[in-house]
Amino acid sequence: DIQMTQSPSSLSASVGDRVIITCRASQGIRNDLGWYQQKPGKAPKRLIYLASTLESGVPSRFSGSGSGTEFTLTISSLQPEDFATYYCLQHNGYPLFGPGTRVDIK
Amino acid sequence: EVQLVESGGGLVNPGGSLRLSCAASGFTFTNAWMNWVRQAPGKGLEWLGRIKRKTDRGTTDYAAPVKGRFTISRDDSKNTLYLQMNSLRSEDTALYYCTTDPGPIESIWGQGTMVTVSS
Repeated sequence: DIQMTQSPSSLSASVGDRVIITCRASQGIRNDLGWYQQKPGKAPKRLIYLASTLESGVPSRFSGSGSGTEFTLTISSLQPEDFATYYCLQHNGYPLFGPGTRVDIK
Repeated sequence: EVQLVESGGGLVNPGGSLRLSCAASGFTFTNAWMNWVRQAPGKGLEWLGRIKRKTDRGTTDYAAPVKGRFTISRDDSKNTLYLQMNSLRSEDTALYYCTTDPGPIESIWGQGTMVTVSS
């Protein structure tokens, strides 16, 4: 079975910081990966699909890259509304979420 | 408006059963592979299972923790997805979401329905 790890599990950052979150798969998953943002009390919202395609309406400060086993979500300049928890989700085979990365205010 | 609306959550005793519903509108439900995802209080997201569209044989897949206890079904005439949950345990306490498949199609999530398993 595919396993997903995500790092870091949490981070503290300031507005304007560049933030990078990494997701690793235990075996190759091509580019079958999405990134989701979840704010407290809300349903997850997909930001990126197929590893690097930005969802319509998502700010361009979000970007995704990677293929195979290693993927990154980059927020180029963190904004106040970006403080949230981020999950990767692979769907090569049965879907599986990463454990999540909580981004909070330094 | 594109939306998914879950219902049917509540308090149930350990060992009991519950059926969740997810009403879809604003998109072609019959073409969609549909999934259930849950989130225990203070925890991460957990994929539970999916049902494919009828033209893909309508087959189902389940995550190991719920296989054999949970059953996903759909009624395309009612644009509704179901999750039948049997032999419920305390660890099934969570907010349950229905969602479209994570592939390169529109990502739609419901608001979730809470299930609490407790005596």
